[in-house]
Amino acid sequence: NAGVTQTPKFQVLKTGQSMTLQCAQDMNHNSMYWYRQDPGMGLRLIYYSASEGTTDKGEVPNGYNVSRLNKREFSLRLESAAPSQTSVYFCASIKDSSSYNEQFFGPGTRLTVL
Amino acid sequence: EDKVVQSPLSLVVHEGDTVTLNCSYEVTNFRSLLWYKQEKKAPTFLFMLTSSGIEKKSGRLSSILDKKELFSILNITATQTGDSAIYLCVRMDSSYKLIFGSGTRLLVRP
Repeated sequence: NAGVTQTPKFQVLKTGQSMTLQCAQDMNHNSMYWYRQDPGMGLRLIYYSASEGTTDKGEVPNGYNVSRLNKREFSLRLESAAPSQTSVYFCASIKDSSSYNEQFFGPGTRLTVL
Repeated sequence: EDKVVQSPLSLVVHEGDTVTLNCSYEVTNFRSLLWYKQEKKAPTFLFMLTSSGIEKKSGRLSSILDKKELFSILNITATQTGDSAIYLCVRMDSSYKLIFGSGTRLLVRP
């Protein structure tokens, strides 16, 4: 039981490049989330997926797209990276939206956009 | 053992009341303490606290951290029914691991 896994752990992009951050969980959780963490800002929600087949915008969705490929996987795509997207990205999952206290987070992806 | 303890677990007040929510934590590679408000779906970020004694304010909400005594409080003045939610206290350690408190469920009656 690996919990929540994210790849890659580190990435450096040039402005305008695209990439996809991968997230997978093996806990049979229904809800998955993508957050970004910037200094002094805590975690801000980018997108979430309450269940397989659904996605919703969070607080800061601009510049991102997501895909809930199946129950296990939830990917985050940057189509044209910008320096403002330099951040640490966390994927998280919970069994359902009423059990937030049991949210599990991945180890994070540290992204730098030059 | 990493623990974040929030109190009270639940609270019912009337509009206009002032409430204070408490959070205590055990220190292990402490980076910051965060407060979130959760209504129906995903939680929304309120404050991040890294230094002792510096109050952070956002409208009617304010929060402060005491790193010596290992606690934080979240104050809400002149409460409104829209403040009804679960308030989560979260400790972040140096490796970005998050430890969540159980939350305080606040209900503000009109």
